[in-house]
Amino acid sequence: GQQLNQSPQSMFIQEGEDVSMNCTSSSIFNTWLWYKQDPGEGPVLLIALYKAGELTSNGRLTAQFGITRKDSFLNISASIPSDVGIYFCAGVNYGGSQGNLIFGKGTKLSVKP
Amino acid sequence: DTGVSQDPRHKITKRGQNVTFRCDPISEHNRLYWYRQTLGQGPEFLTYFQNEAQLEKSRLLSDRFSAERPKGSFSTLEIQRTEQGDSAMYLCASSLTGGNPRGYTFGSGTRLTVV
Repeated sequence: GQQLNQSPQSMFIQEGEDVSMNCTSSSIFNTWLWYKQDPGEGPVLLIALYKAGELTSNGRLTAQFGITRKDSFLNISASIPSDVGIYFCAGVNYGGSQGNLIFGKGTKLSVKP
Repeated sequence: DTGVSQDPRHKITKRGQNVTFRCDPISEHNRLYWYRQTLGQGPEFLTYFQNEAQLEKSRLLSDRFSAERPKGSFSTLEIQRTEQGDSAMYLCASSLTGGNPRGYTFGSGTRLTVV
């Protein structure tokens, strides 16, 4: 199935460091979503972006919807141990006849205390 | 309502056996989706329902897979004659048609291991 290009695949950082990950697509989406998944659980939504150029924050997380509508990035500032997990981007054309999400392959984040 | 529920959480089966998973969506959500997630990959779309109608199936959904949502509430996903390649996490999600994407909610998944 189709998947978005997400990078990096994994990151190993020290507590307190900032993190940046991004996602690109060959297709245009009208909505970008960022999820976090813990082992053995389903993805949990972190941030939703609805307009090209939009910059949205949720606590220490900041995400942007690329102007071309084909990319997005997620930044995490001042990482803490509980940020550990796998982060996924997802694109969707919401409101249409489908609405199924297209996911990236994920970025696995490890934080060393 | 406590969110999207999936049962069982884990299933181990022998190759060739049939398995069935259940998903109970958020009660007011009319759309229900099934995704499959293999190790090291993101979730991949399998199929979705709007109320009781199955509106789309992906090419990943082989003939051995069948999904139902008979009364527009809970859904089942059956895999016949399981193969080792079917081992994956099967995720269910629900949403409202045309609703805010923030309302697209996933369950905790069913982990299938085929031995």
